[in-house]
Amino acid sequence: EDKVVQSPLSLVVHEGDTVTLNCSYEVTNFRSLLWYKQEKKAPTFLFMLTSSGIEKKSGRLSSILDKKELFSILNITATQTGDSAIYLCAVPLLTNAGGTSYGKLTFGQGTILTVHP
Amino acid sequence: KAGVTQTPRYLIKTRGQQVTLSCSPISGHRSVSWYQQTPGQGLQFLFEYFSETQRNKGNFPGRFSGRQFSNSRSEMNVSTLELGDSALYLCASSFTGGWGETQYFGPGTRLLVL
Repeated sequence: EDKVVQSPLSLVVHEGDTVTLNCSYEVTNFRSLLWYKQEKKAPTFLFMLTSSGIEKKSGRLSSILDKKELFSILNITATQTGDSAIYLCAVPLLTNAGGTSYGKLTFGQGTILTVHP
Repeated sequence: KAGVTQTPRYLIKTRGQQVTLSCSPISGHRSVSWYQQTPGQGLQFLFEYFSETQRNKGNFPGRFSGRQFSNSRSEMNVSTLELGDSALYLCASSFTGGWGETQYFGPGTRLLVL
């Protein structure tokens, strides 16, 4: 069964710290992995990592994908209180026949990050 | 460009009632997916619609249903509500729902079943 597992489930740090969030996956026909940030309600898109783009960076956030070891990490440097949120990783599923399983994301449990001033 | 909108934002119902939630995708997006988010189960896929057709369905009972209109707006319906249906219901839209596309989420509808 396809599975996405995140760790840790929660993390408490102070402003200025660097955090690393983990996402491991076991899915058939892997094509991409997505990271989202959920503050109040709507998860907002951060990164998509694919075979052709295994490292992404945006400001203080960066992410890498290790296709051999089947995991991804999300790194946040110099954390700020505004980084407090749930961070979700998700993998879109493909059918066994290799076709696209449209619109179907499998999510990890999420990591709750709390950044104290 | 306006984002994904969902109505209502909050809803309180009692067991046995039914509820209809609405989702308007980003203009130009034709794929709408629905997810249920609970503290215990996290985000789980309900179903996906494209061009008024359900293309994909998650592992939820038949009490959960949906539909999509010609303008791509989508509704989901839950009949005979149970306490366990209390959750945040999120919809997400993308152009065609393909694996290479980013799904953009709405703010969700918080449903409380008493």
